[in-house]
Amino acid sequence: AQTVTQSQPEMSVQEAETVTLSCTYDTSESDYYLFWYKQPPSRQMILVIRQEAYKQQNATENRFSVNFQKAAKSFSLKISDSQLGDAAMYFCAYEEANTGNQFYFGTGTSLTVIP
Amino acid sequence: NAGVTQTPKFQVLKTGQSMTLQCAQDMNHEYMSWYRQDPGMGLRLIHYSVGAGITDQGEVPNGYNVSRSTTEDFPLRLLSAAPSQTSVYFCASRPGAFGYEQYFGPGTRLTVT
Repeated sequence: AQTVTQSQPEMSVQEAETVTLSCTYDTSESDYYLFWYKQPPSRQMILVIRQEAYKQQNATENRFSVNFQKAAKSFSLKISDSQLGDAAMYFCAYEEANTGNQFYFGTGTSLTVIP
Repeated sequence: NAGVTQTPKFQVLKTGQSMTLQCAQDMNHEYMSWYRQDPGMGLRLIHYSVGAGITDQGEVPNGYNVSRSTTEDFPLRLLSAAPSQTSVYFCASRPGAFGYEQYFGPGTRLTVT
């Protein structure tokens, strides 16, 4: 099985500041997808951002961007201008292309936003 | 458009009991999955389906059965509940394979005593 590692169980950030959440993964494949999902206290899983491994350009979605380093197998999430509503558990996920519906999630990072 | 719905929201079972967790989606998605979420372990894939009549095992399938008779429904059956199956269960669907966003249900919190 593939492994996805999130080494920061908890992070905190001041409102309006920037925070970066780390994620590394283990794979021998060249074709795959990476995701960041957000889980607020409501428990609802919400897609934040997605990256295709074959694309060199880092994905961005408004205040959310990633730093995708394919050789280093690293996929960090940067949240700019943090807002109180960003407080949640964040999960990094990996999906290998061409092998069915196999998703692998990391153990999550709990983000606290300090007013 | 209700999205992905799951019932029940909460359930308490005694060891050895069986039950079915229901999952339905109204988005005509071919792909559906079941995950369990345990503290400190993220989400782990139990079973998935790539269309009506087609199911396959994920990372942690033991103790669970699934079937997919329609595009809309994907129930998860616990055959003989064990305390190790205490968890939060999520159903998800998506329109296609490889890279598509998964849409998650609200989850079912299951406690086995």
